Amino acid sequence: GAGVSQSPSNKVTEKGKDVELRCDPISGHTALYWYRQSLGQGLEFLIYFQGNSAPDKSGLPSDRFSAERTGGSVSTLTIQRTQQEDSAVYLCASSLIGSDNEQFFGPGTRLTVL
Amino acid sequence: AQSVTQLGSHVSVSEGALVLLRCNYSSSVPPYLFWYVQYPNQGLQLLLKYTTGATLVKGINGFEAEFKKSETSFHLTKPSAHMSDAAEYFCAVTSKAAGNKLTFGGGTRVLVKP
Repeated sequence: GAGVSQSPSNKVTEKGKDVELRCDPISGHTALYWYRQSLGQGLEFLIYFQGNSAPDKSGLPSDRFSAERTGGSVSTLTIQRTQQEDSAVYLCASSLIGSDNEQFFGPGTRLTVL
Repeated sequence: AQSVTQLGSHVSVSEGALVLLRCNYSSSVPPYLFWYVQYPNQGLQLLLKYTTGATLVKGINGFEAEFKKSETSFHLTKPSAHMSDAAEYFCAVTSKAAGNKLTFGGGTRVLVKP
């Protein structure tokens, strides 16, 4: 079956613009995660969804970052007023519920803020 | 709090030689441990995981890892390196207490020499 998909694969934007990143999880996976991968900070957790609710938002770096999930499926990560330090690869993953369950990762969205 | 340390950001091995990637973790509760591999411009793919039970776990592509609680380690090995093993490898930890949030090590990039 289809894996986790993310769009766009690449996004170049100007400082101060807003961007939206999309994640389509594996069908039937109720858990969805966003991570950020950058040269300076490595792989960092951003937010976790269980269904449409987000019990853990502890990794969002500032209030410019927000995410939502609708219908227990697609999720959108929004970054407002982008800054150069937001440049990174944003990875989405999905899994069945349970800490010991494998998280399946999408290919990521590479965000470049000029 | 939980953390992961991967010793060595780069490892070079000859084709056919042993691959050994080191991972030490810190967790105040029983951990779930994972090794992921990332090929260029791709997402993360699970190699293997330890949750409970047998401490020696076998994964895909001939990799295995041993959970050693006394040493807080989860080192990854492969008896004979193949050119296709060139990639970046990430060790990660989570637990029931951490919810489903994965905490990653800094990654180890493996170069395989012919």
